[in-house]
Amino acid sequence: GAVVSQHPSRVICKSGTSVKIECRSLDFQATTMFWYRQFPKKSLMLMATSNEGSKATYEQGVEKDKFLINHASLTLSTLTVTSAHPEDSSFYICSARDWGGNEKLFFGSGTQLSVL
Amino acid sequence: AQTVTQSQPEMSVQEAETVTLSCTYDTSENNYYLFWYKQPPSRQMILVIRQEAYKQQNATENRFSVNFQKAAKSFSLKISDSQLGDTAMYFCAFMEPSGGAQKLVFGQGTRLTINP
Repeated sequence: GAVVSQHPSRVICKSGTSVKIECRSLDFQATTMFWYRQFPKKSLMLMATSNEGSKATYEQGVEKDKFLINHASLTLSTLTVTSAHPEDSSFYICSARDWGGNEKLFFGSGTQLSVL
Repeated sequence: AQTVTQSQPEMSVQEAETVTLSCTYDTSENNYYLFWYKQPPSRQMILVIRQEAYKQQNATENRFSVNFQKAAKSFSLKISDSQLGDTAMYFCAFMEPSGGAQKLVFGQGTRLTINP
């Protein structure tokens, strides 16, 4: 099946710093990527939808200036957590849909962010 | 907005038994997709099974099958001959039809434990 690579898998940073998470589709072109956040023992909450070459669409309650999303190519989307604070600590997961636009989504392996 | 509800936070069965996880959803759409995803301790999201709403036949994948009741907006997952490797969080998910954002909306999840 299609592979989505997400890096880093784990990151620890100091409060006030920015962290970038990458999501790459390795063997297909992803016109749309999705970013989710998951708290411990909770479900995945959609943060934003990222379309190649255009601005991301954020879900209600998600600060777009806090969580910067860039989808500059058909194989790469990045999520930057700016001026991170301890409350931003969470598990972040990306998913990608291939160029065919079908209903199949492929998930990255996730990034555990810990802000000290 | 679509909502997905999983009313069983936790379930536990013995190995080789059959277990059914429940899921209900709310939508005004007629065509859509439904999914069950598995999230083991590694936290990698794994697609278990998918169902197109326009198909009356219930989807089946080896030991996994669904009971799709469109009128009742119910989508339960049955795991037959359960195995220790089935231990995981299971999420029911809804996807808008083509033409929409095609984003996944997840239920709260059911933590399934298979005991030896």
